[in-house]
Amino acid sequence: QLQLQESGPALVKPSETLSLTCTVSGGSIRGNNIYWGWIRQPPGGAPEWISTGYYTGDTYYIPSLRSRATMSVDASKNQFFLKLHSVTAADTAVYYCARRGGTTFFDYWGQGSLVTVSS
Amino acid sequence: QSALTQPPSASGSPGQSVTISCTGSSSDIGAYNYVSWYQQHPGKAPRLMIYEVTHRPSGVPDRFSASKFGNTASLTVSGLQADDEADYYCSTYAGLDTYGGVIFGGGTRLTVL
Repeated sequence: QLQLQESGPALVKPSETLSLTCTVSGGSIRGNNIYWGWIRQPPGGAPEWISTGYYTGDTYYIPSLRSRATMSVDASKNQFFLKLHSVTAADTAVYYCARRGGTTFFDYWGQGSLVTVSS
Repeated sequence: QSALTQPPSASGSPGQSVTISCTGSSSDIGAYNYVSWYQQHPGKAPRLMIYEVTHRPSGVPDRFSASKFGNTASLTVSGLQADDEADYYCSTYAGLDTYGGVIFGGGTRLTVL
């Protein structure tokens, strides 16, 4: 059974960089035509897709975060990462990593990691 | 990116059916058969219930069905059960420059009376 697990600091100061790791187990991150993604959900709000990436390093971002977000993949460790630079309180959210199962849906999700941006 | 509009709430009694709508535009829902639906219980991650408009992943009860007409997609939950009480989000393709990225609706809280 495929499992995903987010990890990273729960508290980040304004203007600093949010860094998260997603560890994939029960399957290879190198799957043919399998993409991986980051989605966040502010408290009481709807999910927001952030980025999608492939094990080769190809990455795609929501236009509104393209200048601040960086997604990368380490296939040797079966992990992928998210960095979000210059954070503000508006970036406070539960961050999920997920597998894109086909065209535009996410079929396996991590449990989520709450990140609070505060001084 | 356009927004997807969902009613904030819906409700039904056990055993009844309830339908949740998701309205987009001719650029998203109307243009592609890429509508998905997610169920989310409090404190849990979203769970994929429907993909590509009508398809159910393995393990999702057939009480959950969905459709699309024009720019509006719909999720129907039949034979309501207590555990169906949750938030439901629709999503669809975000556009060519995002290579499979998605946009989500604002969510509908389903209450089982």
